[in-house]
Amino acid sequence: NAGVMQNPRHLVRRRGQEARLRCSPMKGHSHVYWYRQLPEEGLKFMVYLQKENIIDESGMPKERFSAEFPKEGPSILRIQQVVRGDSAAYFCASSPRSGANVLTFGAGSRLTVL
Amino acid sequence: LAKTTQPISMDSYEGQEVNITCSHNNIATNDYITWYQQFPSQGPRFIIQGYKTKVTNEVASLFIPADRKSSTLSLPRVSLSDTAVYYCLVGDPNQAGTALIFGKGTTLSVSS
Repeated sequence: NAGVMQNPRHLVRRRGQEARLRCSPMKGHSHVYWYRQLPEEGLKFMVYLQKENIIDESGMPKERFSAEFPKEGPSILRIQQVVRGDSAAYFCASSPRSGANVLTFGAGSRLTVL
Repeated sequence: LAKTTQPISMDSYEGQEVNITCSHNNIATNDYITWYQQFPSQGPRFIIQGYKTKVTNEVASLFIPADRKSSTLSLPRVSLSDTAVYYCLVGDPNQAGTALIFGKGTTLSVSS
């Protein structure tokens, strides 16, 4: 039973380009969470999604960032027109139900903006 | 969500027992306490969860006093591989639409 799969593990983009990060939750998990971790800092909540629904996006920057979790396929975190400050590790986690407090995290996607 | 406070960092030596305390003065009746561990360049990993008194698993113990305003994660006989960041979280596992909020955690450094 594969865990939470994130890809790409490493992504390099130039300023102004788009970054797409993908997350496949654990089998049987229908809740997905995205977190961002800047160097030497803790995890910052970004967005919480269920299939086809955004439940809580209170941690998402108002511009350039979007997330989706379609009926079929992985969850996508999309960052448009990236800037150097977007360089960070982006972690996805999943849970079988709402809340639960027990999240399974992926290995993360590290975005570097040149 | 109840706010948590934990030390920024702790140092220890191999073989010692390490206790990391987390304060959560505003914990609600239905809230559980959960601890995660994060190694460098990896995602956090669930360690232990409890509601009251004491919980023990193969990795750690969690002590929760009667008033539940704090909790202590106990790591017995740490090794170098226990060097990591430890996060304390508080939340209601049955509350719909709740996202877990991580703080900065406690960075544990274990030396030989």
